[in-house]
Amino acid sequence: EVQLVESGGGLVQPGGSLRLSCAASGFTFSSYWMSWVRQAPGKGLEWVANIKQDGSEKYYVDSVKGRFTISRDNAKNSLYLQMNSLRAEDTAVYYCARDKVVGWADVWGQGTTVTVSS
Amino acid sequence: DIQMTQSPSSLSASVGDRVTITCQASQDISNYLNWYQQKPGKAPKLLIYDASNLETGVPSRFSGSGSGTDFTFTISSLQPEDIATYYCQQYDNLPPTFGQGTKLEIK
Repeated sequence: EVQLVESGGGLVQPGGSLRLSCAASGFTFSSYWMSWVRQAPGKGLEWVANIKQDGSEKYYVDSVKGRFTISRDNAKNSLYLQMNSLRAEDTAVYYCARDKVVGWADVWGQGTTVTVSS
Repeated sequence: DIQMTQSPSSLSASVGDRVTITCQASQDISNYLNWYQQKPGKAPKLLIYDASNLETGVPSRFSGSGSGTDFTFTISSLQPEDIATYYCQQYDNLPPTFGQGTKLEIK
């Protein structure tokens, strides 16, 4: 069964850092682009970042550039999102997603909640 | 960034009704458009890809059409389990962008 399981969410103060992880199983992880998508409470979906199969290309939404870093470890079938200088507006459920085609997510994890508050 | 304008933002319909949601892109995206369904507390689920192709396992009452800038998503006969929020999303250009969502309720 194809599965993505996120972890690492929690409560963090403004200006703090958090690292999200996503464990993939049931498919050849190293063959796919991977993405992070977030959803603020009561709001719509916002794509955050994605990364090429070998990690050589990475793209970010403007609002997180310079603060967030996407990475992957194909040997561990894992995707990561390092989030620094967190702001209240980063509060959201963060989903890990597999890209069937760049920008097109066909498999999603269950999400992990990040709350930025003092 | 490409803006996706979805309408209506909410919709109330009866079981068995035909339901239509529209999505307009701010520029030509060819057919690089998906439709997702999201139920409360759950992750989005892909229903339609490339504007009109039904994802494997998705009931045939769901369909999509359009190309360029104007797209339509239709449920031919609304079922109680279709209560959810629906999003269109373009993947022609990075960043991928979503419509604001259409919340579908049963009348």
